Amino acid sequence: DGGITQSPKYLFRKEGQNVTLSCEQNLNHDAMYWYRQDPGQGLRLIYYSQIVNDFQKGDIAEGYSVSREKKESFPLTVTSAQKNPTAFYLCASSAGTDSNYGYTFGSGTRLTVV
Amino acid sequence: KNQVEQSPQSLIILEGKNCTLQCNYTVSPFSNLRWYKQDTGRGPVSLTIMTFSENTKSNGRYTATLDADTKQSSLHITASQLSDSASYICVVSAGSNYQLIWGAGTKLIIKP
Repeated sequence: DGGITQSPKYLFRKEGQNVTLSCEQNLNHDAMYWYRQDPGQGLRLIYYSQIVNDFQKGDIAEGYSVSREKKESFPLTVTSAQKNPTAFYLCASSAGTDSNYGYTFGSGTRLTVV
Repeated sequence: KNQVEQSPQSLIILEGKNCTLQCNYTVSPFSNLRWYKQDTGRGPVSLTIMTFSENTKSNGRYTATLDADTKQSSLHITASQLSDSASYICVVSAGSNYQLIWGAGTKLIIKP
């Protein structure tokens, strides 16, 4: 079955640590996105990538980094510079960045600072 | 400022009843409006997507309407089922897939 796989489902981070969230898709989609979801708020865009080896900052990129070395993979690193990282992180993909293409989401990673 | 506001924040109804969720937006330019269903702890799943020229779109028991003049949309759920318990999110595209304005969602609880 085609889809997006996010791992791990739950992740705990200590103060000062960097952690990396995995996102893999087998839909042959060119575009991939990372969103952050906090209670009572709409999704906020962290980073997006339109093609391999290219990515752009979203609305809340500070304290995060990404890479897009393969079409299938778009990992997100939450660095120690992100002061409030506890949230639900969602990865999505689409065939292109034109708004006529729908999104497919992964099941999310819940990150908690301990 | 581009905004999407949803109401109510939460809603509890009995199984088998109908309900309507509201979405008001101030987004320019406007490309399309989407409704997503998000189960707790899962990623959103697309229900409908409507462009400027469409005023109704159905997906099974879900029917979305769009009034581009008043900048309002609604999602009507018919004959609710326990599996409809979820958050429903309204999203407006301001031009491309990286220019989506997300509402905070309506949390719907269906009681037996």
